[in-house]
Amino acid sequence: AQKVTQAQTEISVVEKEDVTLDCVYETRDTTYYLFWYKQPPSGELVFLIRRNSFDEQNEISGRYSWNFQKSTSSFNFTITASQVVDSAVYFCALSEARGDTGRRALTFGSGTRLQVQP
Amino acid sequence: DTGVSQDPRHKITKRGQNVTFRCDPISEHNRLYWYRQTLGQGPEFLTYFQNEAQLEKSRLLSDRFSAERPKGSFSTLEIQRTEQGDSAMYLCASSFSRGSTGELFFGEGSRLTVL
Repeated sequence: AQKVTQAQTEISVVEKEDVTLDCVYETRDTTYYLFWYKQPPSGELVFLIRRNSFDEQNEISGRYSWNFQKSTSSFNFTITASQVVDSAVYFCALSEARGDTGRRALTFGSGTRLQVQP
Repeated sequence: DTGVSQDPRHKITKRGQNVTFRCDPISEHNRLYWYRQTLGQGPEFLTYFQNEAQLEKSRLLSDRFSAERPKGSFSTLEIQRTEQGDSAMYLCASSFSRGSTGELFFGEGSRLTVL
């Protein structure tokens, strides 16, 4: 069974601080995909990034960066120079590949609420 | 607007009543998913369709819940004899199956309150 753990329930930072959101996952599959989604107060989940299990290269997109380490089953997300608009709940998710019907649905962690104070 | 749309956005009902939610996915997407999200939790998978076929159902989907996607386009999720524990946000998402990079595109959700 697949599982995603986000141990940080809530994080509060002051604008311009850097913040890292932790994600630890469990899966028996060798082929899987990891995701981060953002859920702003409006409620709609917004896709941020996808990584596959064969690509451990870290990725940077503007102020966002992701650190994928298979050795520790972690896929952490860092926001550099945080802004008030970054305030939201962030979810890490995992999808295993299934040979019969293709990719399984996503399994989400419980989320980390980030509050960025001005 | 070409995103995933859900209707109604909010529903308040009394315990024991039946409710139905509708989801219109992104038109090119052949996969459609239903999730449930309660306060302070991540979305929990309920079921998904590929075209009109329901390929997977979670154990969370009790016999009071039924989902359909009769023509492979929009989907409905019906909850019969609602209970207070059914109060949650019901999220719909869609995606491609072939050549998919795996991400789901979510609607804004239908919030259910059972009194």
